Amino acid sequence: EDKVVQSPLSLVVHEGDTVTLNCSYEVTNFRSLLWYKQEKKAPTFLFMLTSSGIEKKSGRLSSILDKKELFSILNITATQTGDSAVYLCAVDANSGNTPLVFGKGTRLSVIA
Amino acid sequence: EPEVTQTPSHQVTQMGQEVILRCVPISNHLYFYWYRQILGQKVEFLVSFYNNEISEKSEIFDDQFSVERPDGSNFTLKIRSTKLEDSAMYFCASSSYTQYFGPGTRLTVL
Repeated sequence: EDKVVQSPLSLVVHEGDTVTLNCSYEVTNFRSLLWYKQEKKAPTFLFMLTSSGIEKKSGRLSSILDKKELFSILNITATQTGDSAVYLCAVDANSGNTPLVFGKGTRLSVIA
Repeated sequence: EPEVTQTPSHQVTQMGQEVILRCVPISNHLYFYWYRQILGQKVEFLVSFYNNEISEKSEIFDDQFSVERPDGSNFTLKIRSTKLEDSAMYFCASSSYTQYFGPGTRLTVL
């Protein structure tokens, strides 16, 4: 059974801190790994990673994939209260445009 | 920027009633999905739809569920006889490659 495990499940930090969120996976036919940010409702797309070692970056957020060790990390530098959300990791485990397998998410709370 | 839209945002229904959740996917996308998220739990896949037919479905998607694309824009999820355990947030997603999610419909079954 395909599995995605995120850690930690929750995290509380102060504004300005840097955080690293972890995602490991076990899937039969990996195609890509995606990070989403879920605030009140819909998961909003952050990154899609398909190749090992290539960092994707968007502002203070960055992510990288290790296909040998089967994990990805999401880094957020200089955190702000607006970064408070649940961060979801999902894996596309087949041939593209197939159902995503989600982890349980990491709930990040950034306090002023 | 194009986005997936869903209506209603919140639906309250009595157990045993039928509900229809509506989604308008991004216009040039060809793949459509329904997921659900029970409060406090992870997002779970229900069904995917391509070329006017179901391409994949999960164990959750039993005979009480059905999907339809009645016209060129809408994509609907019907639950025939709702149960208490159907209470959840239902997300529609569409993709041409990356899946984009709608804002969700919160279904509450009383």
